[in-house]
Amino acid sequence: TQLLEQSPQFLSIQEGENLTVYCNSSSVFSSLQWYRQEPGEGPVLLVTVVTGGEVKKLKRLTFQFGDARKDSSLHITAAQPGDTGLYLCAGYSNSGYALNFGKGTSLLVTP
Amino acid sequence: DTGVSQNPRHKITKRGQNVTFRCDPISEHNRLYWYRQTLGQGPEFLTYFQNEAQLEKSRLLSDRFSAERPKGSFSTLEIQRTEQGDSAMYLCASSLDRATNEKLFFGSGTQLSVL
Repeated sequence: TQLLEQSPQFLSIQEGENLTVYCNSSSVFSSLQWYRQEPGEGPVLLVTVVTGGEVKKLKRLTFQFGDARKDSSLHITAAQPGDTGLYLCAGYSNSGYALNFGKGTSLLVTP
Repeated sequence: DTGVSQNPRHKITKRGQNVTFRCDPISEHNRLYWYRQTLGQGPEFLTYFQNEAQLEKSRLLSDRFSAERPKGSFSTLEIQRTEQGDSAMYLCASSLDRATNEKLFFGSGTQLSVL
């Protein structure tokens, strides 16, 4: 099983602060995906990173895929209360069927 | 935008009872997934269907769990003789094609509470 370790597990910050969350594995992935999940809802895809060293920006969110394709990070600039949620990274198993998720980083942004 | 629909949204049952959940994927999606999620954890893969064929099952899917997808449309997940440890959110997801960067569309889940 290809495990995805996410850190930190919990993060509570004030509006306007910057933050970075991490997704690490000892395995190589062809791609990694980042999802955000709000309470009582299913995860929603934010981005997919494919190429080692790739950086993708989605408004105030910056995603990076490690050169070796074993890790990824998500940086949020000037966090807003609307960013509150569970951030999950995910990668496909060797079988190619199962999309496996990390345990997530629970982010709380207070006004 | 019909999205992935799951019913019921909430289910409370007594230990030992059987429960069945339904998932209606996005209509043109031929791939369907079931996940289980407990509080503070990420979704855990349970099983995967391509059309009506169940191609992969997790070791988490014990003999008490069975999933079907007749005619490759909606899917059902049945849990027999429920246990308190089965309490969780059960999520269904669907996707259109197994491209390299396949995007999964999730439903809102069925929250199961076993008393």
